[in-house]
Amino acid sequence: DQQVKQNSPSLSVQEGRISILNCDYTNSMFDYFLWYKKYPAEGPTFLISISSIKDKNEDGRFTVFLNKSAKHLSLHIVPSQPGDSAVYFCAAAGTYKYIFGTGTRLKVLA
Amino acid sequence: KAGVTQTPRYLIKTRGQQVTLSCSPISGHRSVSWYQQTPGQGLQFLFEYFSETQRNKGNFPGRFSGRQFSNSRSEMNVSTLELGDSALYLCASSETSRSQETQYFGPGTRLLVL
Repeated sequence: DQQVKQNSPSLSVQEGRISILNCDYTNSMFDYFLWYKKYPAEGPTFLISISSIKDKNEDGRFTVFLNKSAKHLSLHIVPSQPGDSAVYFCAAAGTYKYIFGTGTRLKVLA
Repeated sequence: KAGVTQTPRYLIKTRGQQVTLSCSPISGHRSVSWYQQTPGQGLQFLFEYFSETQRNKGNFPGRFSGRQFSNSRSEMNVSTLELGDSALYLCASSETSRSQETQYFGPGTRLLVL
């Protein structure tokens, strides 16, 4: 039973445009959500997080939105840059330390 | 501060052998978690240690075990290796065991079981 889902395995976006990565979860007890970026042969790098008491958190080009009623979060990257090309994982804090989605591979085209 | 370090970075073993992976957390971090990443499965939680005690355990067989030392360094052991254990094993550390806390990951150990 996949409690955290990233339904788009891949996404391609033109440089300078907005990238929107989506994540859905099923457990309403999750109270902390994070996004990580991962390059091949490296560990995930923390990008941004959001507590369930908020609906938006911004850090530079990255903004995370949380819709608790829909059990949905999204990561917006504006503007997208070629260096953003990587696999993005969302994670939710639950009984286990984190539960991760299966990732979305973002490709930013120059 | 130095980041999370993992050794070795790459490992090749044969079926039936056992393996021990090591993780040194960020200085001051007392919680260490281990994850397994395989293609198509994302990152799956193995276990978490805090102050030398296992706090949480994921849904993995007993062949997977771990421990944490008084300096917060952690080791993970897999006995009787199977082909399906081939994966990237990631270690992450955080200051405490609270769920609302960011974990920082090491580069991982890539294990290949032949």
